[in-house]
Amino acid sequence: DTGVSQDPRHKITKRGQNVTFRCDPISEHNRLYWYRQTLGQGPEFLTYFQNEAQLEKSRLLSDRFSAERPKGSFSTLEIQRTEQGDSAMYLCASSLADSGYTFGSGTRLTVV
Amino acid sequence: KNEVEQSPQNLTAQEGEFITINCSYSVGISALHWLQQHPGGGIVSLFMLSSGKKKHGRLIATINIQEKHSSLHITASHPRDSAVYICAVEGAQKLVFGQGTRLTINP
Repeated sequence: DTGVSQDPRHKITKRGQNVTFRCDPISEHNRLYWYRQTLGQGPEFLTYFQNEAQLEKSRLLSDRFSAERPKGSFSTLEIQRTEQGDSAMYLCASSLADSGYTFGSGTRLTVV
Repeated sequence: KNEVEQSPQNLTAQEGEFITINCSYSVGISALHWLQQHPGGGIVSLFMLSSGKKKHGRLIATINIQEKHSSLHITASHPRDSAVYICAVEGAQKLVFGQGTRLTINP
């Protein structure tokens, strides 16, 4: 297992377009997290899954954002009708309870 | 007030100096994490602490649960230590992050 993979690494999109990001966690990790990080700030929690169940969503996750983890393995994060304020690094992490977190390299989104 | 506060926000030092980064938090936690982030975004986990002290190579992390405070120390700092160091506290099955400390070690 090579760790947590995120795809794409970079995405440039025009305002109003939809984008989808993918995260492949470490296979035996049952928890998967999405965070958003803007320049100069620490990451902010967006949502997390335990297996295929989405257990918590931040108020930051407006109705334009949706996340899925259909078979408890990979996850997708979709942003509809992107806005310039959505420009950020989107980080995925996975964990097995009490064992620490492994982070992906992130997807950098730029909305122009 | 943020739940997790780090200081300093920026730190520049000369190679070989002893470095200390501080983290204070205001919520109950099950564990505290120190993370390293290099340009380009990748985050690496350095330590996960729930009490006492841990050491890995030139890095030492301590936590005082009663005072809700943790420190990350780097001994004999090197330019390759230059990165953003982030403190994150774990509670309710998710992490809450500090803003990070940008460390620059000059040769």
